[in-house]
Amino acid sequence: AQSVTQLDSHVSVSEGTPVLLRCNYSSSYSPSLFWYVQHPNKGLQLLLKYTSAATLVKGINGFEAEFKKSETSFHLTKPSAHMSDAAEYFCVVSYTGRRALTFGSGTRLQVQP
Amino acid sequence: EAQVTQNPRYLITVTGKKLTVTCSQNMNHEYMSWYRQDPGLGLRQIYYSMNVEVTDKGDVPEGYKVSRKEKRNFPLILESPSPNQTSLYFCASSPTVMNTEAFFGQGTRLTVV
Repeated sequence: AQSVTQLDSHVSVSEGTPVLLRCNYSSSYSPSLFWYVQHPNKGLQLLLKYTSAATLVKGINGFEAEFKKSETSFHLTKPSAHMSDAAEYFCVVSYTGRRALTFGSGTRLQVQP
Repeated sequence: EAQVTQNPRYLITVTGKKLTVTCSQNMNHEYMSWYRQDPGLGLRQIYYSMNVEVTDKGDVPEGYKVSRKEKRNFPLILESPSPNQTSLYFCASSPTVMNTEAFFGQGTRLTVV
Protein backbone atom coordinates (compact mmCIF):
# COMPACT_ATOMS: atom_id res chain seq x y z
CA ALA A 1 0.00 0.00 0.00
CA GLN A 2 1.16 3.52 -0.70
CA SER A 3 2.28 5.33 2.41
CA VAL A 4 3.98 8.43 3.73
CA THR A 5 6.19 8.26 6.80
CA GLN A 6 7.16 11.28 8.83
CA LEU A 7 10.06 10.06 10.88
CA ASP A 8 9.60 12.34 13.89
CA SER A 9 6.32 13.04 15.65
CA HIS A 10 7.90 15.95 17.59
CA VAL A 11 10.88 18.17 16.82
CA SER A 12 12.14 20.86 19.17
CA VAL A 13 14.65 23.52 18.09
CA SER A 14 15.92 26.81 19.46
CA GLU A 15 15.02 30.04 17.71
CA GLY A 16 17.63 30.87 15.08
CA THR A 17 18.80 27.27 14.59
CA PRO A 18 18.13 25.10 11.53
CA VAL A 19 14.98 23.03 11.11
CA LEU A 20 14.85 19.56 9.55
CA LEU A 21 11.57 17.66 9.26
CA ARG A 22 11.93 14.27 7.63
CA CYS A 23 9.56 12.56 5.23
CA ASN A 24 9.82 9.30 3.29
CA TYR A 25 7.24 8.00 0.86
CA SER A 26 6.63 4.65 -0.78
CA SER A 27 7.92 4.62 -4.32
CA SER A 28 5.66 5.48 -7.22
CA TYR A 29 6.05 6.70 -10.75
CA SER A 30 6.13 10.51 -10.72
CA PRO A 31 4.42 11.29 -7.43
CA SER A 32 3.61 14.86 -6.52
CA LEU A 33 4.72 15.85 -3.05
CA PHE A 34 3.61 18.65 -0.80
CA TRP A 35 4.31 20.06 2.62
CA TYR A 36 1.44 21.67 4.49
CA VAL A 37 1.54 23.57 7.77
CA GLN A 38 -1.24 23.69 10.36
CA HIS A 39 -1.16 26.39 13.01
CA PRO A 40 -3.32 25.88 16.13
CA ASN A 41 -7.03 26.17 15.37
CA LYS A 42 -6.34 26.85 11.71
CA GLY A 43 -6.78 24.96 8.48
CA LEU A 44 -3.89 23.57 6.45
CA GLN A 45 -1.78 25.93 4.38
CA LEU A 46 0.45 24.88 1.51
CA LEU A 47 4.16 25.50 2.19
CA LEU A 48 5.58 24.09 -1.04
CA LYS A 49 5.06 21.45 -3.70
CA TYR A 50 7.15 19.25 -6.00
CA THR A 51 5.64 18.24 -9.33
CA SER A 52 8.59 16.84 -11.35
CA ALA A 53 10.39 20.09 -12.07
CA ALA A 54 13.46 21.18 -10.05
CA THR A 55 14.35 18.77 -7.25
CA LEU A 56 15.03 21.60 -4.78
CA VAL A 57 11.77 23.35 -4.10
CA LYS A 58 11.45 26.70 -2.38
CA GLY A 59 8.35 27.55 -0.44
CA ILE A 60 6.92 30.29 1.69
CA ASN A 61 8.46 31.66 4.89
CA GLY A 62 11.98 30.50 4.00
CA PHE A 63 11.22 26.78 3.87
CA GLU A 64 12.56 24.49 1.20
CA ALA A 65 12.53 20.78 0.46
CA GLU A 66 14.63 18.48 -1.67
CA PHE A 67 13.15 15.62 -3.65
CA LYS A 68 15.53 12.63 -3.63
CA LYS A 69 14.14 9.86 -5.78
CA SER A 70 16.89 7.37 -4.91
CA GLU A 71 16.11 7.75 -1.22
CA THR A 72 12.32 8.27 -1.67
CA SER A 73 12.63 11.26 0.62
CA PHE A 74 11.28 14.79 0.67
CA HIS A 75 12.72 16.43 3.77
CA LEU A 76 11.71 19.96 4.76
CA THR A 77 14.35 22.42 5.92
CA LYS A 78 14.71 25.99 7.04
CA PRO A 79 18.07 27.63 7.86
CA SER A 80 16.86 29.59 10.88
CA ALA A 81 13.76 28.85 12.94
CA HIS A 82 11.41 31.59 14.05
CA MET A 83 8.95 31.44 16.94
CA SER A 84 6.11 31.76 14.43
CA ASP A 85 7.19 28.47 12.81
CA ALA A 86 5.82 26.51 15.75
CA ALA A 87 3.04 24.39 14.22
CA GLU A 88 2.25 20.94 12.90
CA TYR A 89 3.67 20.00 9.52
CA PHE A 90 2.29 17.38 7.15
CA CYS A 91 4.07 15.68 4.30
CA VAL A 92 1.51 14.82 1.63
CA VAL A 93 1.78 12.75 -1.54
CA SER A 94 -0.45 12.56 -4.58
CA TYR A 95 0.05 9.12 -6.09
CA THR A 96 -0.68 8.60 -9.76
CA GLY A 97 -4.06 6.89 -10.20
CA ARG A 98 -5.18 7.43 -6.63
CA ARG A 99 -8.05 9.85 -6.12
CA ALA A 100 -6.94 11.05 -2.71
CA LEU A 101 -3.99 12.68 -1.08
CA THR A 102 -1.97 10.47 1.25
CA PHE A 103 -0.96 12.25 4.45
CA GLY A 104 1.87 11.55 6.82
CA SER A 105 0.98 11.45 10.50
CA GLY A 106 2.42 14.92 11.10
CA THR A 107 5.40 16.44 12.91
CA ARG A 108 4.84 18.94 15.66
CA LEU A 109 7.57 21.60 15.61
CA GLN A 110 8.37 23.41 18.85
CA VAL A 111 10.58 26.50 18.76
CA GLN A 112 12.23 27.43 22.04
CA PRO A 113 13.24 31.05 22.73
CA GLU B 1 -10.95 36.06 -1.61
CA ALA B 2 -10.50 32.43 -2.66
CA GLN B 3 -11.60 30.23 0.18
CA VAL B 4 -13.23 27.08 1.47
CA THR B 5 -15.81 27.76 4.16
CA GLN B 6 -16.99 25.18 6.66
CA ASN B 7 -19.75 25.52 9.20
CA PRO B 8 -20.01 25.11 12.07
CA ARG B 9 -16.47 25.43 13.46
CA TYR B 10 -17.38 23.66 16.68
CA LEU B 11 -20.22 21.24 17.40
CA ILE B 12 -21.15 19.14 20.39
CA THR B 13 -23.98 16.69 19.82
CA VAL B 14 -25.48 13.53 21.28
CA THR B 15 -25.29 10.02 19.93
CA GLY B 16 -27.84 9.36 17.20
CA LYS B 17 -28.84 12.94 16.45
CA LYS B 18 -28.42 13.61 12.73
CA LEU B 19 -26.16 16.48 11.78
CA THR B 20 -24.78 18.18 8.69
CA VAL B 21 -21.50 20.01 8.29
CA THR B 22 -21.56 22.39 5.35
CA CYS B 23 -18.69 23.13 2.98
CA SER B 24 -18.62 25.73 0.24
CA GLN B 25 -15.84 26.85 -2.13
CA ASN B 26 -15.75 29.92 -4.37
CA MET B 27 -12.98 28.85 -6.75
CA ASN B 28 -15.06 26.83 -9.24
CA HIS B 29 -13.08 23.72 -8.32
CA GLU B 30 -14.25 20.39 -9.67
CA TYR B 31 -12.76 18.21 -6.95
CA MET B 32 -13.87 18.32 -3.33
CA SER B 33 -13.24 15.99 -0.43
CA TRP B 34 -13.73 15.48 3.27
CA TYR B 35 -11.04 14.38 5.70
CA ARG B 36 -10.97 13.59 9.36
CA GLN B 37 -7.94 14.29 11.50
CA ASP B 38 -7.15 12.17 14.53
CA PRO B 39 -4.02 12.37 16.72
CA GLY B 40 -1.12 10.36 15.31
CA LEU B 41 -3.03 9.38 12.17
CA GLY B 42 -2.72 12.46 10.00
CA LEU B 43 -5.70 13.16 7.76
CA ARG B 44 -7.77 10.36 6.29
CA GLN B 45 -10.17 10.81 3.43
CA ILE B 46 -13.86 10.11 4.11
CA TYR B 47 -15.51 10.88 0.76
CA TYR B 48 -14.64 12.74 -2.37
CA SER B 49 -16.40 14.19 -5.39
CA MET B 50 -14.93 14.53 -8.87
CA ASN B 51 -17.76 16.82 -10.01
CA VAL B 52 -21.46 17.55 -9.58
CA GLU B 53 -23.43 14.37 -8.85
CA VAL B 54 -20.22 12.29 -8.81
CA THR B 55 -19.16 11.11 -5.35
CA ASP B 56 -17.20 8.12 -4.08
CA LYS B 57 -15.90 6.60 -0.88
CA GLY B 58 -12.51 7.41 0.52
CA ASP B 59 -10.59 5.40 3.10
CA VAL B 60 -12.96 5.78 6.07
CA PRO B 61 -16.53 6.28 4.75
CA GLU B 62 -18.50 4.25 7.33
CA GLY B 63 -21.11 6.33 9.12
CA TYR B 64 -20.97 9.26 6.70
CA LYS B 65 -22.88 10.47 3.65
CA VAL B 66 -22.23 13.28 1.21
CA SER B 67 -23.97 14.97 -1.68
CA ARG B 68 -22.84 17.23 -4.53
CA LYS B 69 -25.88 18.88 -6.05
CA GLU B 70 -24.03 22.08 -6.91
CA LYS B 71 -20.39 22.57 -7.82
CA ARG B 72 -19.62 24.88 -4.91
CA ASN B 73 -21.21 22.88 -2.06
CA PHE B 74 -20.25 19.52 -0.57
CA PRO B 75 -22.01 18.85 2.74
CA LEU B 76 -21.02 16.02 5.08
CA ILE B 77 -23.91 14.22 6.74
CA LEU B 78 -23.79 12.04 9.83
CA GLU B 79 -27.14 10.24 9.95
CA SER B 80 -26.58 8.69 13.39
CA PRO B 81 -23.39 10.03 14.97
CA SER B 82 -21.47 7.87 17.41
CA PRO B 83 -18.68 8.78 19.86
CA ASN B 84 -16.02 7.27 17.56
CA GLN B 85 -16.85 10.03 15.08
CA THR B 86 -15.54 12.64 17.50
CA SER B 87 -12.81 14.23 15.44
CA LEU B 88 -11.58 17.30 13.58
CA TYR B 89 -13.04 17.46 10.08
CA PHE B 90 -11.66 19.29 7.06
CA CYS B 91 -13.20 20.00 3.73
CA ALA B 92 -10.83 20.55 0.80
CA SER B 93 -11.14 21.54 -2.83
CA SER B 94 -8.78 21.58 -5.81
CA PRO B 95 -9.06 22.23 -9.55
CA THR B 96 -8.45 18.55 -10.27
CA VAL B 97 -7.52 15.55 -8.17
CA MET B 98 -3.98 15.16 -9.45
CA ASN B 99 -0.81 17.10 -8.80
CA THR B 100 -2.48 20.32 -7.70
CA GLU B 101 -2.66 22.22 -4.48
CA ALA B 102 -5.62 21.45 -2.26
CA PHE B 103 -7.32 24.32 -0.43
CA PHE B 104 -8.60 23.49 3.02
CA GLY B 105 -11.37 24.89 5.16
CA GLN B 106 -10.75 25.99 8.74
CA GLY B 107 -11.97 22.73 10.19
CA THR B 108 -14.95 21.58 12.24
CA ARG B 109 -14.31 20.14 15.66
CA LEU B 110 -17.06 17.63 16.38
CA THR B 111 -17.71 16.02 19.74
CA VAL B 112 -20.29 13.24 20.02
CA VAL B 113 -21.30 12.37 23.58
